[in-house]
Amino acid sequence: GAVVSQHPSWVICKSGTSVKIECRSLDFQATTMFWYRQFPKQSLMLMATSNEGSKATYEQGVEKDKFLINHASLTLSTLTVTSAHPEDSSFYICSARGTPRGTDTQYFGPGTRLTVL
Amino acid sequence: KNEVEQSPQNLTAQEGEFITINCSYSVGISALHWLQQHPGGGIVSLFMLSSGKKKHGRLIATINIQEKHSSLHITASHPRDSAVYICAALQGAQKLVFGQGTRLTINP
Repeated sequence: GAVVSQHPSWVICKSGTSVKIECRSLDFQATTMFWYRQFPKQSLMLMATSNEGSKATYEQGVEKDKFLINHASLTLSTLTVTSAHPEDSSFYICSARGTPRGTDTQYFGPGTRLTVL
Repeated sequence: KNEVEQSPQNLTAQEGEFITINCSYSVGISALHWLQQHPGGGIVSLFMLSSGKKKHGRLIATINIQEKHSSLHITASHPRDSAVYICAALQGAQKLVFGQGTRLTINP
């Protein structure tokens, strides 16, 4: 079936450093990719939506200069958390929307757990 | 009130029991997703449906558009079904609105 991968699966970094998370659609072209954040025991919260080749659309309250999103190709989107702080520690999940077998649906990545010390 | 409400929030059952998780939504939707999130965090899309009923193995999902209600059923539940189940309403072409999730625990 359609697969969305994320790398890394977990990362620990020091406060003030930047972290890049990759999201790839492995067997289909993702016209749209979504980035979500999930805090413990809470549901997913949409951070931004990106279409290939265009700027991401950020949800209200999400700082675009802090969470840099690049959707350079139909199979790859990256989220960079710049100058990370402990409050950025969270579970980041990407999702890709495409039509791998003629069915337009949304597939979720396995998530990346970020811990900022 | 959340736009997407799930019940129950927590459910514990014995292996073999028939499980039902409910989802009600107050917004107009084009489709509804049922997702499964395991303790490690990874999310699997179980169903996307816009009408009627879908079945995959021991899982059945139904939706009633008029009543704005969907249910996820698990027959012959197994401990490996233990996970958080999330319904998400698709508004328009892209925006997903998530329920708070139902934490299911199946005891052997």
